[in-house]
Amino acid sequence: EAGVAQSPRYKIIEKRQSVAFWCNPISGHATLYWYQQILGQGPKLLIQFQNNGVVDDSQLPKDRFSAERLKGVDSTLKIQPAKLEDSAVYLCASSPYGGHEQFFGPGTRLTVL
Amino acid sequence: GENVEQHPSTLSVQEGDSAVIKCTYSDSASNYFPWYKQELGKRPQLIIDIRSNVGEKKDQRIAVTLNKTAKHFSLHITETQPEDSAVYFCAASRGILTGGGNKLTFGTGTQLKVEL
Repeated sequence: EAGVAQSPRYKIIEKRQSVAFWCNPISGHATLYWYQQILGQGPKLLIQFQNNGVVDDSQLPKDRFSAERLKGVDSTLKIQPAKLEDSAVYLCASSPYGGHEQFFGPGTRLTVL
Repeated sequence: GENVEQHPSTLSVQEGDSAVIKCTYSDSASNYFPWYKQELGKRPQLIIDIRSNVGEKKDQRIAVTLNKTAKHFSLHITETQPEDSAVYFCAASRGILTGGGNKLTFGTGTQLKVEL
């Protein structure tokens, strides 16, 4: 089966600019996760969707980050405006309904200058 | 919320030796403990996981042990090979059935280097 797809793979922007990342989960996977992985650290959950509903967004900086999964399939994560500390790899993962294993995409490496 | 600590941060072993990575967690309701391997510039990949109703699980050269009373779990790799070199992350979750939505809290990672 095809894996989790993400784009772009790399993005360089200046602080205060906006950026958007896209994720296409494995077909049929109901649950979608966005993680932020800062260099040298483990991934940190930003937001979790079950179909098109938000399950957990407690660690999402809502003043600048937003995410949506309107049709319960693809998802977009946006940062506006970006700060230097947002430089990280943004990982998308998906899992089937009721499944524990999360399958990760290749990530988007964001550099904020 | 959950807090996961992982040690050591770096581990260097000779090929053929064993490697052990340890993690502790804080949330006594956590019941799902996966281990991910992440090679440089690549995505994390699940290598083994354990549920709280099991004390030990083994898959070829990889094993994980869980001590719920002490709230710690460990990854054991035997007969290490150069291709085992990577960053390993432990994680903990309350799992699907207890309403945690399988939110994973990751440790800070262990850079394992297997030397020839």
